[in-house]
Amino acid sequence: GQSLEQPSEVTAVEGAIVQINCTYQTSGFYGLSWYQQHDGGAPTFLSYNALDGLEETGRFSSFLSRSDSYGYLLLQELQMKDSASYFCALNRDDKIIFGKGTRLHILP
Amino acid sequence: DAGVIQSPRHEVTEMGQEVTLRCKPISGHDYLFWYRQTMMRGLELLIYFNNNVPIDDSGMPEDRFSAKMPNASFSTLKIQPSEPRDSAVYFCASSLETGETQYFGPGTRLLVL
Repeated sequence: GQSLEQPSEVTAVEGAIVQINCTYQTSGFYGLSWYQQHDGGAPTFLSYNALDGLEETGRFSSFLSRSDSYGYLLLQELQMKDSASYFCALNRDDKIIFGKGTRLHILP
Repeated sequence: DAGVIQSPRHEVTEMGQEVTLRCKPISGHDYLFWYRQTMMRGLELLIYFNNNVPIDDSGMPEDRFSAKMPNASFSTLKIQPSEPRDSAVYFCASSLETGETQYFGPGTRLLVL
């Protein structure tokens, strides 16, 4: 089987850096994705790691370590508009398995 | 492209009524997914199609739920009869390949009274 674990909530201050962790147990996958969902909105794709290491896209970076069954999303220079839920997801050859999401609260 | 289109955006119905949710995927995407999202259970995959053929319906909660994809540009998710516990946001998503980035529609917010 497969499962993903991520914290249910994280709080950070505007302008700061925050890291959202994701651990997983799976029998096989070929990549780890991150999606963002604002309240009342739909999930939207943020980042994808096919290989171990860091992928950077503007203020957002994502990391994957297959040997540690671990990944994270790093958000820098936090803005109030980053307040949202963030989902890690395992890309398998048959479907994508989503975690339950981390609610990010940003304080001014 | 307009992205994934879903209708209706909101639906309020009474227990026992039939509910039909509609989805138009992004043109050229061969895969279409139906998800249900609730606070308690998160984002659940209900069923997905490849080239209009249902591939995995193991997430469909029970026989009251059915989904069809009569052509490449249209899919429906039907609940009959509906129950209050079906209240949730239902998302449709599409992708080029099964494990590739998924593009979600705006969702249908369903409330069954």
